Amino acid sequence: GENVEQHPSTLSVQEGDSAVIKCTYSDSASNYFPWYKQELGKGPQLIIDIRSNVGEKKDQRIAVTLNKTAKHFSLHITETQPEDSAVYFCAAGGNSGGYQKVTFGTGTKLQVIP
Amino acid sequence: NAGVTQTPKFQVLKTGQSMTLQCAQDMNHNSMYWYRQDPGMGLRLIYYSASEGTTDKGEVPNGYNVSRLNKREFSLRLESAAPSQTSVYFCASSQEMNTEAFFGQGTRLTVV
Repeated sequence: GENVEQHPSTLSVQEGDSAVIKCTYSDSASNYFPWYKQELGKGPQLIIDIRSNVGEKKDQRIAVTLNKTAKHFSLHITETQPEDSAVYFCAAGGNSGGYQKVTFGTGTKLQVIP
Repeated sequence: NAGVTQTPKFQVLKTGQSMTLQCAQDMNHNSMYWYRQDPGMGLRLIYYSASEGTTDKGEVPNGYNVSRLNKREFSLRLESAAPSQTSVYFCASSQEMNTEAFFGQGTRLTVV
């Protein structure tokens, strides 16, 4: 099955700086790569996703890049703000053993220091 | 439009007791999921239902059963709770598999 590794597990940045979270996946059949943000006491919420026919996608201060050859994908947050503080999860999904299920990484706790 | 609603929000069980976690979505989604979240382990898929009338095992199905009651509702049952099932449980739904998933607020379950 799919294995998704996510780094770092914790990340502290000064307000206004950029934050980068990196993930790797193992199944070359994966073709869907969402990123979720989870605030304390809430369920995860999608912030951006990318499919394997696209190398990069941007939405305001958030961007995701995908390197299919290396099986890497990354989340970039620019001009960080205190409200960006949360746990971020990457995930990879596709046809794995006949199932189109998504496998999550272990999460990155981002702290933005005012 | 409530999205995904889970009940209960908190529950304490004794070892060996049974219980059912309820989940309902009002977005007319085809696919529904149950995850558990443990510290340092991310979200792990317990069971999912790709469409009404079908259910399949995820990564960690042992000790659980599910029922897709209709298109809106997907319940998770613990037949004989064990301390290892202490976790936060999330229900989610999506229009199709591998599209944006919408999560409920979670159920914090403690088994003593």
